[in-house]
Amino acid sequence: DAMVIQNPRYQVTQFGKPVTLSCSQTLNHNVMYWYQQKSSQAPKLLFHYYDKDFNNEADTPDNFQSRRPNTSFCFLDIRSPGLGDAAMYLCATSSSNGHNEQFFGPGTRLTVL
Amino acid sequence: GENVEQHPSTLSVQEGDSAVIKCTYSDSASNYFPWYKQELGKGPQLIIDIRSNVGEKKDQRIAVTLNKTAKHFSLHITETQPEDSAVYFCAASALYGNNRLAFGKGNQVVVIP
Repeated sequence: DAMVIQNPRYQVTQFGKPVTLSCSQTLNHNVMYWYQQKSSQAPKLLFHYYDKDFNNEADTPDNFQSRRPNTSFCFLDIRSPGLGDAAMYLCATSSSNGHNEQFFGPGTRLTVL
Repeated sequence: GENVEQHPSTLSVQEGDSAVIKCTYSDSASNYFPWYKQELGKGPQLIIDIRSNVGEKKDQRIAVTLNKTAKHFSLHITETQPEDSAVYFCAASALYGNNRLAFGKGNQVVVIP
């Protein structure tokens, strides 16, 4: 089945230790998104890729970076995780030339010690 | 930008009864309104959506209504079952380009057996 896959599902890192979360998709969608979701809150958009074009949200900290080496894969890099970065990180995809629905992956739960 | 308000924040219903969640939006340019269901520890799952060219859409026990004049849309779940217990998010966007979603804060639905 076509889907959005996130690895790992659970990630534990130490304060200040860089961490990378990965997302892959078999939907061949041209738009990919990274969201941060904290407990009892709505997903918060960090940035998205429209094809190869990177679009950062104005309030996304510089600590968060992203890479999209090809259509299928997208990575979220947290350069120096702080305690406040502990959250669920969600990847989503959509197609700009289709019905434009956003499909989410299962998420990666990040714990910062 | 778009602002989406979602009410109530928590809703408890007896199994078999109906549940209704209401959302309002602010940007008249928004023309796409998805609803997501999120179970504990999982990513949001798209359950139904509606575009501004229709007023109502139904899929089995789930229906969504849209009032463009009043800028509000609602999710209706009939014959609720325990597996309907989850957090439900409404969202709004303009269906072009990157389909940037504005989410409501979410509604915790609890179905009491």
